[in-house]
Amino acid sequence: AQTVTQSQPEMSVQEAETVTLSCTYDTSESDYYLFWYKQPPSRQMILVIRQEAYKQQNATENRFSVNFQKAAKSFSLKISDSQLGDAAMYFCAYLFYNQGGKLIFGQGTELSVKP
Amino acid sequence: EAGVAQSPRYKIIEKRQSVAFWCNPISGHATLYWYQQILGQGPKLLIQFQNNGVVDDSQLPKDRFSAERLKGVDSTLKIQPAKLEDSAVYLCASSLEATYEQYFGPGTRLTVT
Repeated sequence: AQTVTQSQPEMSVQEAETVTLSCTYDTSESDYYLFWYKQPPSRQMILVIRQEAYKQQNATENRFSVNFQKAAKSFSLKISDSQLGDAAMYFCAYLFYNQGGKLIFGQGTELSVKP
Repeated sequence: EAGVAQSPRYKIIEKRQSVAFWCNPISGHATLYWYQQILGQGPKLLIQFQNNGVVDDSQLPKDRFSAERLKGVDSTLKIQPAKLEDSAVYLCASSLEATYEQYFGPGTRLTVT
């Protein structure tokens, strides 16, 4: 069974600094997607970034980028120039093509941003 | 484009009572998901619909939970009777097709006392 592990329950970063959130996953499949979702307090979950497993190039979206290490089954999120609005719970998630879109989420990392 | 709508946003019930949640997905989205998110945990899939058919309900506690998606659009999730451990946020999400990006609604926070 596929599992997703986020080993950092909480992280803190100074405004304008860079922070990296860790995620590892376990799968025997070769084709899958990986995602980072952001869930602000009392607000809805939104997609931050996605990575297709067949792509070697790491995905980037403005200040957000990932370090995808397929062999190590590692998928970390780097947030550059952190802003107060980045404070939220961040979830790493795995999606296997043949399971019809079923997302498997990690436990989440709560990120706080200090002014 | 309107997002995924859910109601109610909050609900407090006593154990053994019944409750129903409603979800309206983004127009044109064929796939609809219900997730349960217990405080401090990541969301867990309860049921997935493709149009009005069930794709995956392997983690749905069928003795007390039921869900339907009539006409392949709106969906309702029901709990009867509720238990204390059902206290959670119930999230609805939709996507154009399975394996596409999922868009989440604001969720319904259920408290069972």
